[in-house]
Amino acid sequence: DVKVTQSSRYLVKRTGEKVFLECVQDMDHENMFWYRQDPGLGLRLIYFSYDVKMKEKGDIPEGYSVSREKKERFSLILESASTNQTSMYLCASSSGGNVIRYTFGSGTRLTVV
Amino acid sequence: DQQVKQNSPSLSVQEGRISILNCDYTNSMFDYFLWYKKYPAEGPTFLISISSIKDKNEDGRFTVFLNKSAKHLSLHIVPSQPGDSAVYFCAASNNNAGNMLTFGGGTRLMVKP
Repeated sequence: DVKVTQSSRYLVKRTGEKVFLECVQDMDHENMFWYRQDPGLGLRLIYFSYDVKMKEKGDIPEGYSVSREKKERFSLILESASTNQTSMYLCASSSGGNVIRYTFGSGTRLTVV
Repeated sequence: DQQVKQNSPSLSVQEGRISILNCDYTNSMFDYFLWYKKYPAEGPTFLISISSIKDKNEDGRFTVFLNKSAKHLSLHIVPSQPGDSAVYFCAASNNNAGNMLTFGGGTRLMVKP
């Protein structure tokens, strides 16, 4: 089974801090995604990547950046954390091909105080 | 512009009865549909999918129905169990237009013992 691992389950950071959320997948998937989940708003796409060193903005990229230096690792960076970035962050990966099916990590619950 | 909508944010059902979760979409190019299930503090997990060439797909207690003319799909859970209590996300893709899933806002299902 594909495994997507997010480095932290819970994080508490202070306003203005630079925050790194790490995601690693072990099945050589080309595609990786970062979402945030908020009550009543569903899953909103922040950034995605189809290849190493490639990144594309999703629906809500403001205040975030990403890095994909290796195929298996996709990092989400909060340049200067703010309280409105308190959320559940979900990483997902998928292979290329005709059937699109994501595998998600367990999520990181980030609280910015 | 939300292309995938789940109009019921929550649903409460008695154990043993049928749960019906609904999803509507607007993009007629979508050709593959999925349901994901999410427990609190965990990532979404794949539940069941259906291709646009079918109108029904069944897997144990879970059945997904697709009505292309109405751009509507539904997930039936029979019989419902307390362990089915979770948030359910509908997702759709156009397999000829990239490797992206578009998610609905989610429906929280509560199955009462």
